[in-house]
Amino acid sequence: GDSVTQMEGPVTLSEEACLTINCTYTATGYPSLFWYVQYPGEGLQLLLKATKADDKGSNKGFEATYRKETTSFHLEKGSVQVSDSAVYFCALSEPLWETSGSRLTFGEGTQLTVNP
Amino acid sequence: KAGVTQTPRYLIKTRGQQVTLSCSPISGHRSVSWYQQTPGQGLQFLFEYFSETQRNKGNFPGRFSGRQFSNSRSEMNVSTLELGDSALYLCASSNSYEQYFGPGTRLTVT
Repeated sequence: GDSVTQMEGPVTLSEEACLTINCTYTATGYPSLFWYVQYPGEGLQLLLKATKADDKGSNKGFEATYRKETTSFHLEKGSVQVSDSAVYFCALSEPLWETSGSRLTFGEGTQLTVNP
Repeated sequence: KAGVTQTPRYLIKTRGQQVTLSCSPISGHRSVSWYQQTPGQGLQFLFEYFSETQRNKGNFPGRFSGRQFSNSRSEMNVSTLELGDSALYLCASSNSYEQYFGPGTRLTVT
């Protein structure tokens, strides 16, 4: 079945440092890929997405490129801020042709802490 | 446009009881999915409803059930609660492949 693997955390950085959170996936078809962010006590917010190979998703300074050849979707940001402290989830969605639905499969989540 | 709302935000129940959680999707969204989030198992898919029909189901026991109403609002029910059902239950609404999440209901079973 489908699966998503994220780099082990937690990750602690100083403000203005560069961020990379690795994400690789296994899927039988052609999934859409997502990064979600979860702040303490809240639900998940869609951060960025990519729907096909070589697509680059970007939002709020974060970027991720859909790499089919390496089955990866690594999250990057050039300069992190204290306000970026949160848990980041990589996810994939593959259409379920039998039922015309879809479901999200999530990675384990990576806790990011940014210190001033 | 208003986001996904979930009620209640917090619940404390006793083992053996049952509970009903509610989710109101984004206006115009017809698909509602439910996920369970726990520290040990992470985020797991429970089920998806579309036009009042369960379209997909995850690997959860029959104690977990749901329904969707004609206005797309959805409820999920957990019967005979167990300690292991303590979790954050998240609802997501969708009109395509993108899913938008509510703030969740934190269920504690004692």
